[in-house]
Amino acid sequence: DIQMTQSPSTLSASVGDRVTITCRASQSVTTWVAWYQQKSGRAPNLLILKASDLQSGVPSRFGGSGSGTDFTLTIKNLQPDDSATYYCQQYSTYSQTFGQGTKVEI
Amino acid sequence: EVQLAEAGGSVVRPGGSLRISCAASGFTFDDHGMSWVRQAPGKGLEWVSGINWDGKSTSYADSVKGRFTISRDNARNSLYLQMESLSAEDTALYRCARGITSSTSSGFDSWGQGILVSVSS
Repeated sequence: DIQMTQSPSTLSASVGDRVTITCRASQSVTTWVAWYQQKSGRAPNLLILKASDLQSGVPSRFGGSGSGTDFTLTIKNLQPDDSATYYCQQYSTYSQTFGQGTKVEI
Repeated sequence: EVQLAEAGGSVVRPGGSLRISCAASGFTFDDHGMSWVRQAPGKGLEWVSGINWDGKSTSYADSVKGRFTISRDNARNSLYLQMESLSAEDTALYRCARGITSSTSSGFDSWGQGILVSVSS
């Protein structure tokens, strides 16, 4: 199975900051990467598909980039509502995998 | 409105079996692949199994291969997960998730609230 390694595991930042979460795949997944936000006790919410396609309704301060094995999720102008755990997911192969998550504290 | 509602969660003894289900509504069920994703208490997301739109293609995480079976009934707009030889490591909140595409593998744009499966003696 393809492993997805996220870093950092926890991130502390202030309102207005720009933060970056990285995800590295153990082999190329081209751009078949999604990013999710999960708030405590709730189901995940899809933010980005195909590495960089922002989903409808997701604030434009969220952005994704990358291809091959290295991917990033960037949050500009961090807001209190962005406090959550973020996960990357590869869906390049039939056996999909998630990263271990990055908790963003504000 | 897309709705996914899981059912069938329970406390099961180690080595036991359980079948959970997911009732879908608000969309054309057989236009989408579906998956089960679990989350152990305080832990991250783990993809468990996926199925394509007509049920002819399935896939499993290594951790459940040979023990779990995913299936769907498009006439009933329902997704199922049959779980055998359960162990404490299978204790988790199980959510069904709708795939963006009709294939087995895709991103997930809708999720159920989840059902708890607890394996304990």
